Amino acid sequence: GAGVSQSPRYKVAKRGQDVALRCDPISGHVSLFWYQQALGQGPEFLTYFQNEAQLDKSGLPSDRFFAERPEGSVSTLKIQRTQQEDSAVYLCASSLLDYIGRGQFFGPGTRLTVL
Amino acid sequence: QKEVEQNSGPLSVPEGAIASLNCTYSDRVSQSFFWYRQYSGKSPELIMSIYSNGDKEDGRFTAQLNKASQYVSLLIRDSQPSDSATYLCAVINTGTASKLTFGTGTRLQVTL
Repeated sequence: GAGVSQSPRYKVAKRGQDVALRCDPISGHVSLFWYQQALGQGPEFLTYFQNEAQLDKSGLPSDRFFAERPEGSVSTLKIQRTQQEDSAVYLCASSLLDYIGRGQFFGPGTRLTVL
Repeated sequence: QKEVEQNSGPLSVPEGAIASLNCTYSDRVSQSFFWYRQYSGKSPELIMSIYSNGDKEDGRFTAQLNKASQYVSLLIRDSQPSDSATYLCAVINTGTASKLTFGTGTRLQVTL
């Protein structure tokens, strides 16, 4: 079966532009996560959805970051008025609903560069 | 103190040797532990999970967990050049709805 897919794979934005990043999770995966990975660092949690409900958005760095998953499948991470510090790889992961964590499966990521 | 700590490396081992990667965590309520492998420019790939004290083996990989000492390790036997990558340790803490907290990763280099 297909894995997690993300688009676009690369995005270059001018400072101040809005961007939208898309994630298609593995079919049947209830849980969906967004992470941000800076160069040389481990991924940092941004937000978590269980179906269409956003249960945790504690990792979103500012109110310029917004995520949605309106029908409980595809998710979009939107960044408004991008800044240079937003440059990073944005990773989406999905998993079955399982509180001990059988493991999250990551998409290829979107590399965002803000000029 | 970071929640999950790893030596950034690089850890260099010769082909065929055992690579030993270590990770410590600070939160005693951590309940699930994972090792991800990340090749340069790629996304993390899950290679091992462990939930209870002791060893768990899967092929050339062995994960070891010691909750009393708050460390988890990954052993790679018969290391191959294709094992050269960054290895990320990640934990899930009770009550955090399965979000992963990652270390910064250890870069492993397997030399010929």
